Parts: sequence; structure tokens; C-alpha cells
Amino acid sequence: QVQLVQSGAAVKKPGSSLRVSCKASGGIFSSYYFSWVRQAPGQGLEWMGGILPLFGRTSYTKNLQGRVRITADESTSTVYLDLNRLRSDDTAVYYCGRGPMTYDARGYSMGYSDSWGQGTLVSVSS
Amino acid sequence: EIVLTQSPGTLSLSPGERATLPCRASQSITSSYLAWYQQKPGQAPRLLIYGASTRAIDTPERFSGSESGTDFTLTISRLEPEDSAVYYCHQYGSSPQTFGQGTKVEIK
Repeated sequence: QVQLVQSGAAVKKPGSSLRVSCKASGGIFSSYYFSWVRQAPGQGLEWMGGILPLFGRTSYTKNLQGRVRITADESTSTVYLDLNRLRSDDTAVYYCGRGPMTYDARGYSMGYSDSWGQGTLVSVSS
Repeated sequence: EIVLTQSPGTLSLSPGERATLPCRASQSITSSYLAWYQQKPGQAPRLLIYGASTRAIDTPERFSGSESGTDFTLTISRLEPEDSAVYYCHQYGSSPQTFGQGTKVEIK
């Protein structure tokens, strides 16, 4: 049974840093793709980035490049999202997702997410 | 970056009606790598369709996906009250991945 358990809600000051964790259970950790998606209040879904733990490969949305880092710890089956220089518009629910890697002529790539964590509410306010 | 456009923003339909939700991509999507998600208030997204037309496990048969070039469609053949939700398309064929802005389906 797949389960993704995220760390708890956080309140942060502008300019500070955030770390959200996502512990996975069920299946072989490194055989999957993990993503981070966020949702600001009343808004749609925003893909932040993803990681292929098997290859240590990451990809990020251009809007966040330079502020975001995604890492994976295979020993604890945990994926981390780090976001620095927080701003008020980073206030959102952050979701981690897990899904299969795609495989085609390009090799292995990031796919879709078919399992999701419960979400972590992050509020950024002075 | 591939931009996905979902319009209209809201569909208001009655139970038993057919819902057609379009998603237009700004450029071709590699290998039909387009997914659809359903999201209800306070919940995480739920995968419905991947590969443009393959239903995920536990997706009811009334949900179907199709594509024509850069136009993708999610169809709900006969709406049930529990289908009230926001539906997002998502492309994973090129990086960065992107989501459409969502279509809200309201059941009258």
C-alpha cells in the first residue's frame, strides 16, 4: 500500500527558508519519480519540480530556479523540498507526489503522479 | 515551456448530462504525455487519466480522455453528484512540467 506522509504545517517569516519532507512507503523507493506541487489559496496547481532518485536527476520550474532544491534520501525513503528566500506569495499547500518514470527513446524521464501526500500548509507572514 | 489552456473556467451541468472539458497545449506534447486530475476541496489531486486516454486504477468508466493534435479532452459521459470538483490537465512530456489552470464542474 502506497503511502506518502508529509511533515506538518509551518509558519515562516519572509526571507527565511523552508524544508518540507515526504516519507514514502510501499514499493521500491528509487524506482519512482517524485514531484512537488503547490497550491496557493484559491488558486490552481503549480508544478515546482521533481526528482528521479535512481539517477539523482532533478528538474525545476523556471519561476523558482535559484530558490528551490529537491533531494532524496534512499536510506529513509524520504524526499525533501527546500525553498529559500521565502516571500508572502509562497503561502500555499505543498503536495508531494509519486509516480512511475516514463521510458522512451530519450531514456528515463519524469512522469505523472498517481499517489499524493496529505499536503503541508505553509504560511509566510511577518 | 508548454502552456496548457483550459476553458471554460466553470461548467454547470445537471446529473446525467455529458461533460466535455478541453485542454489546449501551446505546442506538441511528446508521446501523448498528458494526464488529468480531479481535485475536491481540501483534498490532494487524484489521478484520473494518463497517456491522454488511459484510465488510472479505480477511475470509473464514465471518465474518458482523448486527443487530437494539441487539443486534449476529458469527457464525463454521465455526470454523478460526486463528480463535482476541479479538473486539471497536466503535461509531463517536457520539462518543466505544467498544469492547466483548471475547470470547475458544478452539478446543478
